[in-house]
Amino acid sequence: QKEVEQNSGPLSVPEGAIASLNCTYSDRGSQSFFWYRQYSGKSPELIMFIYSNGDKEDGRFTAQLNKASQYVSLLIRDSQPSDSATYLCAVNSGGSNYKLTFGKGTLLTVNP
Amino acid sequence: EPEVTQTPSHQVTQMGQEVILRCVPISNHLYFYWYRQILGQKVEFLVSFYNNEISEKSEIFDDQFSVERPDGSNFTLKIRSTKLEDSAMYFCASSEVGGPDTQYFGPGTRLTVL
Repeated sequence: QKEVEQNSGPLSVPEGAIASLNCTYSDRGSQSFFWYRQYSGKSPELIMFIYSNGDKEDGRFTAQLNKASQYVSLLIRDSQPSDSATYLCAVNSGGSNYKLTFGKGTLLTVNP
Repeated sequence: EPEVTQTPSHQVTQMGQEVILRCVPISNHLYFYWYRQILGQKVEFLVSFYNNEISEKSEIFDDQFSVERPDGSNFTLKIRSTKLEDSAMYFCASSEVGGPDTQYFGPGTRLTVL
């Protein structure tokens, strides 16, 4: 059974701080990794994707991937109250595998 | 910006009834997916669809479920005889290519089975 694990939180940070969200996965053959943001009652919204080891930056967001450790993280710099949401880590094993396997998500609260 | 759309936003049905959930994927996308999320739980994969056939399905996707692309734009999920435990948010997603490509999600249909 391929698993994706996240700390469910809640993670609480003050406005302007860096929020760090972590995810581990069990399938060593996984090839692509996604962070989605989900507001309560809404659908997952893509934040970032990463395929290669290392860091990938997009505005205030940085995704980090370490395939050897089977670990992927998301850093949110200068956190804003509007960033308050559940952050979902999703993994695709690649090849002919089409499905995303999601973690349960980490609830982030940014306090003004 | 192109987006996935879904109708209805909320569907209430009686146990044992058939429901059809509708999706319009992003127009140049070729791969289509259904996921569901029971309240408070993970997003779970149901099925993927390409070239008018199922590419992959999960163990959740049993004989009561079916998918169809009835025309060039719509993608539907049918649940033949709904059960109480089918109550969930159902999300349609699409991607330009398959495999590890990025999937974009629609707003979801909340299905309530009474």
